[in-house]
Amino acid sequence: QVQLQQWGAGLLKPSETLSLTCAFYSGSFSGDYWSWIRQPPGKGPEWIGEISHIGITNYNPSLKSRITISLDTSKNQLSLKLTSVTAADTAMYYCATRLPWFDSWGQGTLVTVSS
Amino acid sequence: DIVMTQSPDSLAVSLGERATINCKSSQSVLYRSNNKNYLAWYRQKPGQPPKLLIYWASTRESGVPDRFSGSGSGTDFTLTVSSLQAEDEAVYYCQQYYNAPWTFGQGTKVEAK
Repeated sequence: QVQLQQWGAGLLKPSETLSLTCAFYSGSFSGDYWSWIRQPPGKGPEWIGEISHIGITNYNPSLKSRITISLDTSKNQLSLKLTSVTAADTAMYYCATRLPWFDSWGQGTLVTVSS
Repeated sequence: DIVMTQSPDSLAVSLGERATINCKSSQSVLYRSNNKNYLAWYRQKPGQPPKLLIYWASTRESGVPDRFSGSGSGTDFTLTVSSLQAEDEAVYYCQQYYNAPWTFGQGTKVEAK
């Protein structure tokens, strides 16, 4: 399994842009996709989107207009940007590898949107 | 989108007893060309990310105890914990990877009584 460590701002105001980074270390990754998943408090996970090792992106249609996922293979880093955040975007955000099931997960970053 | 619905929302099981969680998908997740069900199960303990237990509906992930088993096909699936241990208190999720967007159930909370 791949080791994933993520970071980013945890407190945002409405209309700001969420920006998270996930670094992947060690292990072997035989799958093709790096994903972002979020989980609102007390709810099930929601897939945000993913990027392949050659840069092909797939986004959840419900968020597609606000998302950018990128991959920097030279730094072994995955990034997520979500624009125009609202309170509904408050959640724990995870990066994960997709095999096609979600295999390795980051530790999570709690993002709170509040004025 | 494929909607995943789990039942029950919560259950309390005595230690050593069986726990059974159901998951129903709004459309079949069986891919007929390879006869595989595109369904996974996860366990999530407080403060931790979900951990993969089972994929292809019934294949245990490496290192997962054999008290965990998955069954079902098409639209109806079951996760069974044959003998509940204290460390199995958690929320369990099913997830389909048949069609994007990949979707999860709402979760089933399992408590020991």
